[in-house]
Amino acid sequence: SYVLTQSPSVSVDPGKTARIPCGGNNIGSEPVHWYQQKPGQAPVLVIYYDSERPSGIPERFSGSNSGNTATLTISRVESGDEADYFCHVWDSVADHPVFGGGTKLTVL
Amino acid sequence: EVKLLESGGGLVQPGGSLRLSCAASGFTFASYGMTWVRQAPGKGLEWVSSLSADGGTTYAADSVKGRFTISRDNSKNTVHLQMHSLRADDTAVYYCAKCADYDGHGFSDYWGQGTLVTVSS
Repeated sequence: SYVLTQSPSVSVDPGKTARIPCGGNNIGSEPVHWYQQKPGQAPVLVIYYDSERPSGIPERFSGSNSGNTATLTISRVESGDEADYFCHVWDSVADHPVFGGGTKLTVL
Repeated sequence: EVKLLESGGGLVQPGGSLRLSCAASGFTFASYGMTWVRQAPGKGLEWVSSLSADGGTTYAADSVKGRFTISRDNSKNTVHLQMHSLRADDTAVYYCAKCADYDGHGFSDYWGQGTLVTVSS
């Protein structure tokens, strides 16, 4: 079945830009969604359909998707952005959703 | 305000059964697919099962197919996950989530707080 590959961890200084990649075979042809999960909390949708932001999500969060990589970008990173981030697509061949393994964002 | 409240989790012996429920409010329940996603301790998200808004189409992960059954009661705004033949590797927090579309194919725009299922003797 379809596999989404995420780096286990990304570190960034406060105020800088964090880029969290999600790799998959020709992922650019599928809509990708992103969730943020802070310790002990439920996931929260932060990006859907590659680059759309739900209401209440800061403009600092953006997304892109092309070729074999989708990317979640967080600008002007804050300590409150520390969390695990998961990418998600619908595997149209297997007819079920797939999650990436998650990336832990650490703000230095 | 959308709210999803899971219940039914707990400690169960291997081979046992458990029924999870998720009570939904704050949206037109019968218009949206619903999904269950689980997270084992210290691990990532794993999709478990989804169903369409009318309950007519269901999907289940291979790891639970034949053991878990998803269903919904649109008159009570509730979705259930009936789990049988539970194994140690089913131990996880189980999240109920609202799908953004009718079919249950899309992203999940709202999540419950989760209910812990522990399978152990």
